[in-house]
Amino acid sequence: GESVGLHLPTLSVQEGDNSIINCAYSNSASDYFIWYKQESGKGPQFIIDIRSNMDKRQGQRVTVLLNKTVKHLSLQIAATQPGDSAVYFCAENIRGYQKVTFGIGTKLQVIP
Amino acid sequence: SQTIHQWPATLVQPVGSPLSLECTVEGTSNPNLYWYRQAAGRGLQLLFYSVGIGQISSEVPQNLSASRPQDRQFILSSKKLLLSDSGFYLCAWNRLTAGAKVGLFFGSGTQLSVL
Repeated sequence: GESVGLHLPTLSVQEGDNSIINCAYSNSASDYFIWYKQESGKGPQFIIDIRSNMDKRQGQRVTVLLNKTVKHLSLQIAATQPGDSAVYFCAENIRGYQKVTFGIGTKLQVIP
Repeated sequence: SQTIHQWPATLVQPVGSPLSLECTVEGTSNPNLYWYRQAAGRGLQLLFYSVGIGQISSEVPQNLSASRPQDRQFILSSKKLLLSDSGFYLCAWNRLTAGAKVGLFFGSGTQLSVL
């Protein structure tokens, strides 16, 4: 289910270092996964997605890794910048179904 | 291109007053529409979703209701607001077609404070 009652964990990273944000998903039937970035006071923005027939997908400075065996998803951000400071959410979906379920989110703080 | 509009951006309402938040999507037809709520520093809770005009699914029992009077319009309402209704309300859309991405696209949100 959705973990809406939990406070967000925080990850602090030095500017220029790589960031790894992890997410455990709950439904083994989920076959589509999405990462979102949410800046303060704004709606979440789509970053990257991955389907269950893949285990890795790369975008610009971001890489998503999927491990279906342990139901784990990660987002890697290369050369983290101050503008990357935000809350990052993973989301899961079963293709053909409308409901998209979000994880609890991780707050990324970039130290200049 | 598709855009989603949500208003107002901020709203301060007294306890017991009614609520109406509106969301519209442009540039697509027959979208799935969603209302999420986010408490400060917390995750996203799905409140309602709709797959078509007049079709509303409620995810959690609550003091709120939703309506979809037109294909690209989604409204979140309450007859009497409670303090616990305070939060950041987000409208989102997607469209399920064969092979298409199903990722949700969000509006800019409404910060509701019930006092």
